[in-house]
Amino acid sequence: EVQLVESGGGLVQPGGSLRLSCAASGFTFSSSTMHWFRQGLGKGLVWVSRINIVGTSATYADSVKGRFTISRDNAKNTLYLEMNSLRDEDTAVYFCVRDNGSPDFWGQGTLVIVSS
Amino acid sequence: DVVMTQSPLSLPVTLGQPASISCRSSQGLAHSNGNIYLHWFQQRPGQSPRRLIYNVNNRDSGVPDRFSGSGSGTDFTLKISRVEAEDVGVYYCMQSTHWPPYTFGQGTKLEIK
Repeated sequence: EVQLVESGGGLVQPGGSLRLSCAASGFTFSSSTMHWFRQGLGKGLVWVSRINIVGTSATYADSVKGRFTISRDNAKNTLYLEMNSLRDEDTAVYFCVRDNGSPDFWGQGTLVIVSS
Repeated sequence: DVVMTQSPLSLPVTLGQPASISCRSSQGLAHSNGNIYLHWFQQRPGQSPRRLIYNVNNRDSGVPDRFSGSGSGTDFTLKISRVEAEDVGVYYCMQSTHWPPYTFGQGTKLEIK
């Protein structure tokens, strides 16, 4: 059974940092491109970042470029999102998503609240 | 960026009746390899999104055959042949042909009338 379990969310002040993790199981993580998406409370879905299977190529939405860093550890079957210089508008549920030709399987999400 | 526009945004449907959601893109979604990377997701209340349809008209494993996708160019449609109570939620189209970024429609909220 495919599982993606996000963790690391929480309350952080504007300008602060958080590191999200996503533990993957039930599929060959090292063969899968991975993504982070987010969803503001009561809002739609937004793509945040993508990383290739070996972790050498990362792509970002303009809204997070220069502040967020996606990475992965294939030995640990884990995806990460380092978030710096957080803003109010980064408040959202963050989802880890597998890419199987296109984004397909989503984790349950972890909530990040940026507020003073 | 490719803008995805869904309609309607709210869709009240009687149980057992059909439903249809339209998704239009601001530019054609045909990739140079011939594929069209237009997908549909369902998000039930309180749950994560689930992909239903990929590449216009391919149902994901476990998706009931009452769900179907169609379209080409810039116009795409998700149809539910007979709505059931478990279909309540928000439906999103998403394109992954012209990325970055991957872009979604605004979402269509399906409710039972």
